[in-house]
Amino acid sequence: LAKTTQPISMDSYEGQEVNITCSHNNIATNDYITWYQQFPSQGPRFIIQGYKTKVTNEVASLFIPADRKSSTLSLPRVSLSDTAVYYCLVGDMRDDKIIFGKGTRLHILP
Amino acid sequence: GAGVSQSPRYKVAKRGQDVALRCDPISGHVSLFWYQQALGQGPEFLTYFQNEAQLDKSGLPSDRFFAERPEGSVSTLKIQRTQQEDSAVYLCASSSPETWAGEQYFGPGTRLTVT
Repeated sequence: LAKTTQPISMDSYEGQEVNITCSHNNIATNDYITWYQQFPSQGPRFIIQGYKTKVTNEVASLFIPADRKSSTLSLPRVSLSDTAVYYCLVGDMRDDKIIFGKGTRLHILP
Repeated sequence: GAGVSQSPRYKVAKRGQDVALRCDPISGHVSLFWYQQALGQGPEFLTYFQNEAQLDKSGLPSDRFFAERPEGSVSTLKIQRTQQEDSAVYLCASSSPETWAGEQYFGPGTRLTVT
């Protein structure tokens, strides 16, 4: 399971676009990149997953460069309710478990 | 539809007591996972079930921790002779046969405080 590195915390303001970058230098060929969001007193929630290039859904976009050694989660026009911890995970679909790091604490200011 | 539910949401135990934490996964989800989350940390994997079979228990911190899923649906995590270091949030997650372990649905967790 590839190790990931992401900033411990970030601050931003309402209405801004927020980009959280995750480094995964040892990503393997079969590994996918997955992001989870966790609000206080709740379990993590799956946000988005991708293998390469760009993936977009109703919540976020995920940008993955060609070498796949990093990825960027992009949250458009954040609101106060986007204040949460965001986890980047890397794993093979054949894995029977996922490994969480410490995540990035995103704090949205009014 | 109903998500993953866990009970109790909060549990206070005196050191040395046994506790049992329950998880009701999403109906039809074959895979079930337990995690332990300490304050300020990410969830740490404890164990994994596929139906009633416990396929991976490598994350259980000691033999005081025991998990079961006898009928392949509801699961119970039992901690015997609780210690203060067991204080944490215990999360349960499940995933469907059509997705892999990377896409899990989590319950709200049980916050265990050992005094």
